[in-house]
Amino acid sequence: QVQLQESGPGLVKPSETLSLTCAVSDYSISSGYYWGWIRQPPGKGLEWIGSIYHSGNTYSNPSLKSRVTISVDMSKNQFSLKLSSVTAADTAVYYCARHLAVGSFYSPMECWGQGTLVTVSS
Amino acid sequence: DIVMTQSPDSLAVSLGERATINCKSSQSVLYSSNNKNYLAWYQQKPGQPPKLLISWASTRESGVPDRFSGSGSGTDFTLTISSLQAEDAAVYYCQQCYSTPQTFGQGTKVEIK
Repeated sequence: QVQLQESGPGLVKPSETLSLTCAVSDYSISSGYYWGWIRQPPGKGLEWIGSIYHSGNTYSNPSLKSRVTISVDMSKNQFSLKLSSVTAADTAVYYCARHLAVGSFYSPMECWGQGTLVTVSS
Repeated sequence: DIVMTQSPDSLAVSLGERATINCKSSQSVLYSSNNKNYLAWYQQKPGQPPKLLISWASTRESGVPDRFSGSGSGTDFTLTISSLQAEDAAVYYCQQCYSTPQTFGQGTKVEIK
């Protein structure tokens, strides 16, 4: 069973860049699925941020697109999220996840990490 | 963007009774070439990540109890819990994966009456 684990700073200053990594265990990230990032502000709903394939093909939410960079490192079996120019509105639990269908971005998220809370504050 | 609207925002149901959650999309999520509805349902308990319950509007994921069922097509969908158990208290989200950006409903909180 694939396991995903988010890591990164829990506190980021306004205007700086949020950087998170998702380590994937018990499954090769190059084996044909899309891998995604989703966030959830405290007490609120879910927002899809973006997803990446091992080839580097990426989809991003237009509401965040100019600030989002998603990358994959197959040598470390992990993928990463960078969100620039953060504000308090970016405070959220950030989840990484694997899409359900092989080779298809257009599928729900089947496997999720436990999430990591990132607070934007000076 | 496709807007997903769930109703109600919350409901309280007695143990053993039926719970019904509705989800409406602002445009159809039915892909005509394969006749699949690109609609999923998730369950989220406090402090936990969402858990995928149902994909393609009505396909129950492995290990999900059969009291959970999904129905609907096009723009109108329903998640039904046929006989509510204590462990079903949670927030439920629908999600469309038909187009980018993928979007979620606002969530429906199910409580035990």
